[in-house]
Amino acid sequence: DIVMTQTPLSSPVTLGQPASISCRSSQSLVHSDGNTYLSWLQQRPGQPPRLLIYKISNRFSGVPDRFSGSGAGTDFTLKISRVEAEDVGVYYCMQATQFPLTFGGGTKVEIK
Amino acid sequence: QVQLQESGPGLVKPSQTLSLTCTVSGGSISSGGYYWSWIRQHPGKGLEWIGYIYYSGSTYYNPSLKSRVTISVDTSKNQFSLKLSSVTAADTAVYYCARVVTMIVVADYWGQGTLVTVSS
Repeated sequence: DIVMTQTPLSSPVTLGQPASISCRSSQSLVHSDGNTYLSWLQQRPGQPPRLLIYKISNRFSGVPDRFSGSGAGTDFTLKISRVEAEDVGVYYCMQATQFPLTFGGGTKVEIK
Repeated sequence: QVQLQESGPGLVKPSQTLSLTCTVSGGSISSGGYYWSWIRQHPGKGLEWIGYIYYSGSTYYNPSLKSRVTISVDTSKNQFSLKLSSVTAADTAVYYCARVVTMIVVADYWGQGTLVTVSS
C-alpha cells in the first residue's frame, strides 16, 4: 500500500492568515495514464469529509478559491490563503493512483 | 443533488456480522461511472477505505479486510451494502458510504456516516 504522511499534525492559525499543509507519499503518485490522483478533503467537526481538491490542483465545485493545491511526484501541498472560521477542521490528503486508496493521517487546523 | 444515507444496527456483538446499507438518491447507481464505496473512521482517528462495488457487481476490497468483507448492490432499490464478518472491538468505527468518480477517482459525495460499536 502507498503510505501517505502529512505534516504538521496540528496548525494553529490566526484568522486571515495563511495555512499550509504538506503531504508526502511513499512512492510516486504519477499513474501510468499520466495523471496524478492526489486529492484533499476537509472534515469539519461532526461532519463527513468533503472533497476540496482533486488531481493535485483542481478545486471541486463550490470550493472557495482561497484553497489551492500544488505539488508533483511524491510531495504535495494544500494552502489556504486566508483562513476563515469555517475552515476549522481536519484536512486529509488521499491518493487514488493505486488501490487500495489510502489517506494521510490528517492535519488539524484550528484558530489561535 | 446526489445524497447517500447509511443505515443499519449501531451495536454489533463480537464475532457477529456487521451489516450496513447505503441508499442513494438524486442519481442512479445503474448509470455507471462510479465506484460505490465504503470507508470507515475509527473514533478520533483517520480514514480507512474498505472497498467498492461497480453497478455491474464487480468489486475490489482492501486486502487488509478482504477475507471478512462483502459488498453487494441492489440496483432496483438504488442501494449498496456492506457486510463485515467476525467483528471485534477493533471494528468499532464510523462507517461512511461514498461515491467515487471512476474517471478522476475522487470521493465527491459522502453519506453522513453511522457509528457502529462492537460490544457484548
